[in-house]
Amino acid sequence: DAGVTQSPTHLIKTRGQQVTLRCSPKSGHDTVSWYQQALGQGPQFIFQYYEEEERQRGNFPDRFSGHQFPNYSSELNVNALLLGDSALYLCASSNQGRGSYEQYFGPGTRLTVT
Amino acid sequence: ELKVEQNPLFLSMQEGKNYTIYCNYSTTSDRLYWYRQDPGKSLESLFVLLSNGAVKQEGRLMASLDTKARLSTLHITAAVHDLSATYFCAVDIDSGYALNFGKGTSLLVTP
Repeated sequence: DAGVTQSPTHLIKTRGQQVTLRCSPKSGHDTVSWYQQALGQGPQFIFQYYEEEERQRGNFPDRFSGHQFPNYSSELNVNALLLGDSALYLCASSNQGRGSYEQYFGPGTRLTVT
Repeated sequence: ELKVEQNPLFLSMQEGKNYTIYCNYSTTSDRLYWYRQDPGKSLESLFVLLSNGAVKQEGRLMASLDTKARLSTLHITAAVHDLSATYFCAVDIDSGYALNFGKGTSLLVTP
C-alpha cells in the first residue's frame, strides 16, 4: 500500500523565482493538506483541497496557491519566492469522503531559497 | 485564535527514567494527535485521541486526553535512546480541516 509521496525531495531556488511541489495521496484518500515547517518549528497549515477545490486556507499570502487533480494528487505553487519561504513543505492526505479525518504525512520537500 | 502549547520544549532524560510531556490547547477540540519526527524526516503518527478520558498506549508511550481541562499528556516509561526525537501534539478543531500544531518537544535520551 503506497503511502503519501512527494516530489522533488530537495529543491534550491533563487529569490523571486516560482516553484511547484507535487503530492500524491495515500491510496484511497481523497483529501490533501499542505503544511510549511520552518526549521525548529511546528508545521503551519497552508491549505486543504477536497473534490478539486480549496476548502480551507491558513494565514498564508496569495503567493501560495494550489491545485487538486481528478486523481486526487495535488500541487503547491509558490510565486515570487522570498528567503523566508525556505522550509520543509509537507503534504498530508486523509479520506474525508468516508469520514476518516486522520492525516498521514508524506516525506516532505525541502525548499531552500537563496 | 487557537493556541497549542507544549511543555517542555526541550527535554534531556536518562535511559530508564519516566517523564511526561504536556499539551494545552485553548479551544474545544474534536480530536488530538501526537506525532513523532526524527531529524530531517516527516511526521509519524503515534496516537489519535477522540474523546474525553481517552487513553492509548504503544510500547513505552502512553497518551491521554482531558477535554474539560483542554490538556493532553504523553507519558514516557523507562526511556530508551530510540525514543530520542521531536514530539508534536496537534489539535483538530474543525472536523478534519487544519491541524494546529504545538512547537514540539525535543527529547534526548542519554545513557
